[in-house]
Amino acid sequence: NAGVMQNPRHLVRRRGQEARLRCSPMKGHSHVYWYRQLPEEGLKFMVYLQKENIIDESGMPKERFSAEFPKEGPSILRIQQVVRGDSAAYFCASSPWGGEVMYFGPGTRLTVT
Amino acid sequence: KQEVTQIPAALSVPEGENLVLNCSFTDSAIYNLQWFRQDPGKGLTSLLLIQSSQREQTSGRLNASLDKSSGRSTLYIAASQPGDSATYLCAVRLTGRRALTFGSGTRLQVQP
Repeated sequence: NAGVMQNPRHLVRRRGQEARLRCSPMKGHSHVYWYRQLPEEGLKFMVYLQKENIIDESGMPKERFSAEFPKEGPSILRIQQVVRGDSAAYFCASSPWGGEVMYFGPGTRLTVT
Repeated sequence: KQEVTQIPAALSVPEGENLVLNCSFTDSAIYNLQWFRQDPGKGLTSLLLIQSSQREQTSGRLNASLDKSSGRSTLYIAASQPGDSATYLCAVRLTGRRALTFGSGTRLQVQP
């Protein structure tokens, strides 16, 4: 059973471009979570999704950020018009229905130049 | 708002020592508490999960305790090894929510 997969692992974008981060949860997991780790800071929750539904987006910035988890395919975290402050490691985690333990992916390191 | 604090921020010990990492949280209405390990440039690996009704969990050389009333958890690592060098993160899940609130971590270096 492959772990949580994220791609790309590293992403470089210029200010104003769009960034798309993909996350494939572990097989059989129906819950996906996105966290952001800014340099020298702890992980901060962004959004929690189930298939085709956003359950909790209390940690998402109000503008430029969106997330989806379609019926088929990976979860996508989309950042429009990136700014330097968006440079961070973005981690995806998944858990099964009713499961307690969260399994994290290796992260995508976004650098905005 | 839940806040999670980890002390110390960094720790360097010689191989073989037993050590304790501390985690404190402000809101005692937790559902569970999880300890993770993060290696540089890598993702997080879950080490131990303690439910709010439990007092401790053990896995190999690791033992985690939970005192909800005082808002504290400790991670005890016995007979430390250089391979234990990593950042250790404490994360709390509140009742009624799925999101985790993380501490800033303790960066551990075990000297051979």
